[in-house]
Amino acid sequence: TQLLEQSPQFLSIQEGENLTVYCNSSSVFSSLQWYRQEPGEGPVLLVTVVTGGEVKKLKRLTFQFGDARKDSSLHITAAQPGDTGLYLCAGAGNAGNMLTFGGGTRLMVKP
Amino acid sequence: GAVVSQHPSWVICKSGTSVKIECRSLDFQATTMFWYRQFPKQSLMLMATSNEGSKATYEQGVEKDKFLINHASLTLSTLTVTSAHPEDSSFYICSASRASYGYTFGSGTRLTVV
Repeated sequence: TQLLEQSPQFLSIQEGENLTVYCNSSSVFSSLQWYRQEPGEGPVLLVTVVTGGEVKKLKRLTFQFGDARKDSSLHITAAQPGDTGLYLCAGAGNAGNMLTFGGGTRLMVKP
Repeated sequence: GAVVSQHPSWVICKSGTSVKIECRSLDFQATTMFWYRQFPKQSLMLMATSNEGSKATYEQGVEKDKFLINHASLTLSTLTVTSAHPEDSSFYICSASRASYGYTFGSGTRLTVV
C-alpha cells in the first residue's frame, strides 16, 4: 500500500506571508498531483508533476517533485485570502491508475 | 477540458431508504471511475474503483452490499447507498480517469440521513 504523508495538517497565516506544504512517501509515484478543494465542492486540479526534480509554477504557486519521485512540495508566495482552502496531494502509482491521497492541508489566510 | 457531472449535489433521505448518486463524464469516455468518501475537514478516502462492464473493486472495510456500484457505460457510474443510516451521512465524490485526461473530479454529493 502506498501512503502519502502531508504536512502541515493546518496552517493559519497572515496575508502576504509565504508557506510551504510537503508531501512525503517511501513509495515511488509515476506522477503526483496537487488539488485545491473548497467546502462543498470536488477537488480542482492545480498541477501534475511527472519527472523527478521537476518544478512547475502557477502564478504565486511553485510545485516541485523530488528527484526520486517520492516527495513533493507546494510553495505559495505572498499568500492571499483567496488562497484559503484545503490543499491535497495525490500520487499515481505504477500499478493501475489509482490515486493515493495525502491527508490534506487546511490553509487559512487572514487579511 | 474534461468535465465530470455528479448528481445530486445534495440529498436528504430517511433512515432505511436507498439513495443513488450518478457520475457522468460529459466530454470523454472514462476508462475507470472512482468513488470517494470525505468526512468533514479530512482528506478523500477511496471507497471503490470501477471499470466499465466489470465488477467494482472495493477498498478494505467498505461493504460492497451497502455501497452498490454500477458502471454500465464508459460515461456513467452510479453509487447506491442501500438502507442508509445516519452514520452514512458524508460527502461522496466521484472521479473519472482516462489516460489522456488524467483524473477529473465531480463536484460531490452531500448525503444527510435523518
